[in-house]
Amino acid sequence: KNQVEQSPQSLIILEGKNCTLQCNYTVSPFSNLRWYKQDTGRGPVSLTIMTFSENTKSNGRYTATLDADTKQSSLHITASQLSDSASYICVVSQAFKAAGNKLTFGGGTRVLVKP
Amino acid sequence: NAGVTQTPKFQVLKTGQSMTLQCAQDMNHEYMSWYRQDPGMGLRLIHYSVGAGITDQGEVPNGYNVSRSTTEDFPLRLLSAAPSQTSVYFCASRPVGQETQYFGPGTRLLVL
Repeated sequence: KNQVEQSPQSLIILEGKNCTLQCNYTVSPFSNLRWYKQDTGRGPVSLTIMTFSENTKSNGRYTATLDADTKQSSLHITASQLSDSASYICVVSQAFKAAGNKLTFGGGTRVLVKP
Repeated sequence: NAGVTQTPKFQVLKTGQSMTLQCAQDMNHEYMSWYRQDPGMGLRLIHYSVGAGITDQGEVPNGYNVSRSTTEDFPLRLLSAAPSQTSVYFCASRPVGQETQYFGPGTRLLVL
């Protein structure tokens, strides 16, 4: 069964500290992996997208890594800010159809940044 | 551009009632989709459309209908609401051939 597992489910960090979120997947065939940020009461917003050949991608203070061999990805948040408080969702895409790749969503990691 | 808009933001229904969740986008995206998000679970695809007049089922289509008469609009209909359909519903769109989806703000539905 194609699955995307994220850990931890939630974490609390102090403002200014770093943290790393994990994503393990069993989805195959693999097309790409994306990280989304979802603020409370809002829809998810894309942070990064990585294909099979990419092993790191940055977006400001967010850095995603991908190890396609072990089917693991991580999202590192540097120097956290209060606005980083959100859920972070890992999404893996399977390359089936040209018009609509199948997406498998992780359950998300809820991050709370405290002052 | 307003992006992807959804109405209503919040709705309470009684079991057996029907309703339509509205979704519209002004980006001329061909691909639109509906997801539901339940606590502790990933988003699950309900229905999707690759263009006007074309719709297809996703992972959890039972109890929902869709239609796509225009590029801009993609309404989701609940024919007879059940408590199991209590969830947050997200509409998303993207151009065909591009990977990143743009999500609406969501509709929170409570079925009593």
